[in-house]
Amino acid sequence: GAVVSQHPSWVICKSGTSVKIECRSLDFQATTMFWYRQFPKQSLMLMATSNEGSKATYEQGVEKDKFLINHASLTLSTLTVTSAHPEDSSFYICSAPGGSYEQYFGPGTRLTVT
Amino acid sequence: DAKTTQPTSMDCAEGRAANLPCNHSTISGNEYVYWYRQIHSQGPQYIIHGLKNNETNEMASLIITEDRKSSTLILPHATLRDTAVYYCISRAGTASKLTFGTGTRLQVTL
Repeated sequence: GAVVSQHPSWVICKSGTSVKIECRSLDFQATTMFWYRQFPKQSLMLMATSNEGSKATYEQGVEKDKFLINHASLTLSTLTVTSAHPEDSSFYICSAPGGSYEQYFGPGTRLTVT
Repeated sequence: DAKTTQPTSMDCAEGRAANLPCNHSTISGNEYVYWYRQIHSQGPQYIIHGLKNNETNEMASLIITEDRKSSTLILPHATLRDTAVYYCISRAGTASKLTFGTGTRLQVTL
């Protein structure tokens, strides 16, 4: 089946710094990718929809200036957490629709802000 | 997308069938029922989906009631590796976003 990768798988950064997370579709093209955030023992919450060649669409309550999304090509979307704070520590997961019905999820990136 | 309701948690003995219910009483005619699962600290994995007919694949079976207001995911012979959170999601369209509820935490035990 189709594969979506994320890099890095985990990252620790200091408060105030920025962190970039990559999401790649390895064997298919994705004009749309989705970014989710998951806090411990909670469900996935959609943050934004990444669109190749155009601006991302953010869900209500998600700060677009803090979570920068760039969909540079048909196989790559990046999420940059700017000026990260401890409350941004979370599990970030991307997904991309593939085929006629399925969405493929990346393995996730665990961000810890100290 | 219609709201779905699932039990918070369930236990199942290894080797037995795991039956996970989902209520989607407000589902509309063009919405499919999807099931995904998430093993701890991993991305969700697609299991199965259906519109109104029962479906079966190598992983599971999906039973949808005739009125489509509820469905049951069946793992015929649960193993320890099936321990995960199972999400039932209703969605129209194929490339649209998925809205995750709280899911059912299935614990398979020896």
